[in-house]
Amino acid sequence: QSVLTQPPSASWTPGQRVTISCSGSSSNIGTNNVYWYQQLPGTAPKLLIYSNNRRPSGVPDRFSGSKSGTSASLAISGLRSEDEADYYCAAWDDSLSGVVFGGGTKLTVL
Amino acid sequence: EVQLVESGGGLVQPGGSLRLSCAASAFTFSSYWMYWVRQAPGKGLVWVSRISSDGISTNYADSVKGRFTISRDNAKNTVYLQMNSLRAEDTAVYYCARAVDPGIRGVGYWGQGTLVTVSS
Repeated sequence: QSVLTQPPSASWTPGQRVTISCSGSSSNIGTNNVYWYQQLPGTAPKLLIYSNNRRPSGVPDRFSGSKSGTSASLAISGLRSEDEADYYCAAWDDSLSGVVFGGGTKLTVL
Repeated sequence: EVQLVESGGGLVQPGGSLRLSCAASAFTFSSYWMYWVRQAPGKGLVWVSRISSDGISTNYADSVKGRFTISRDNAKNTVYLQMNSLRAEDTAVYYCARAVDPGIRGVGYWGQGTLVTVSS
């Protein structure tokens, strides 16, 4: 199982706001920045959020990130059908001296 | 636009070797940490290795330590992953990725990936 824990799936309707959680520990999320990635079906991952809550240019402000203690969240507001994808969180882990990923959350837009 | 193009994937027998390459363009390659991340079919993302901008510092996942070697040639804007003693469980799409920026080492931008299949 993954070092970071995410819900395996989520289903929401268009226009709603969805939050995806990512739980870690003091050696990863507790002390290091969190990153979020979106992977559309059949494509490479794309950076959505870096340094906990910063968006790269080109990422809509419907996507936002937050971190508190050893947990982080990705929020998507005004959900659209094109947001249907797998979402992954990641952070550096000081104990493992490596990047750890969450298991991914498959978001379905009903 | 940042471009990362992986090559070198393919079918290899257990115990065999492969060298993956990732050609970078449209950014100052020598300023960025670089990464390899893999994804087994139908599974999630797993970090494999990273290398510092000057090539001096490297890190590896425990699952590949001692078998895989990451390196880079800043004159050729290319990062490599030498994979030895390959196992069936190494079968995956291997993504090359770049740090977000020179001051932010986290995984930022990804290539399209190259498929490695380890099977007899």
